[in-house]
Amino acid sequence: GQQVMQIPQYQHVQEGEDFTTYCNSSTTLSNIQWYKQRPGGHPVFLIQLVKSGEVKKQKRLTFQFGEAKKNSSLHITATQTTDVGTYFCLMKTSYDKVIFGPGTSLSVIP
Amino acid sequence: EAGVVQSPRYKIIEKKQPVAFWCNPISGHNTLYWYRQNLGQGPELLIRYENEEAVDDSQLPKDRFSAERLKGVDSTLKIQPAELGDSAVYLCASSRERGGISSYEQYFGPGTRLTVT
Repeated sequence: GQQVMQIPQYQHVQEGEDFTTYCNSSTTLSNIQWYKQRPGGHPVFLIQLVKSGEVKKQKRLTFQFGEAKKNSSLHITATQTTDVGTYFCLMKTSYDKVIFGPGTSLSVIP
Repeated sequence: EAGVVQSPRYKIIEKKQPVAFWCNPISGHNTLYWYRQNLGQGPELLIRYENEEAVDDSQLPKDRFSAERLKGVDSTLKIQPAELGDSAVYLCASSRERGGISSYEQYFGPGTRLTVT
């Protein structure tokens, strides 16, 4: 069956350092979305990637979709305390299944 | 625009008791999702509706869980009887889903935190 990995599980960074989380699927995806969940909150949509090799930027956030459409990354440049939370990838498979990754929890030390 | 509404926000019940959660999606969103989220994990899809039709309920434990979405608007999720392992946050989300390789973003409600004692 479909296997989804997201690494790392936890990341502690000093404010101003960069942060990257990776999402990997065992099968080819139709698209991938990224969500952020603040502690005690609910997931909030960040971005969607659809095309092979696609790169999108939102201010300090850069999102990439792999050429084979099996992996994706989210990179944050110069983290701030407002970046604290858990980042999830949401994968849509070619079989129209929707699967969340296990998430990467980001802590930012001021 | 009003967001996704869920009730109750918190529920504490004893094991073997029934419990029900209610969700009202954003107006015009034809796709509705129920997820279960355990602490420190990603949301796990329980059931996805497109209008009134349950298009994916493969992860719904059908021996004790049931869901309905009458008239294709609001939805209820029921557990009967509840077990200790059902303690989790139950999230409802909605979107303007369309077919094909692209998707619309999901808007999540605040969730219902269920504690089974």
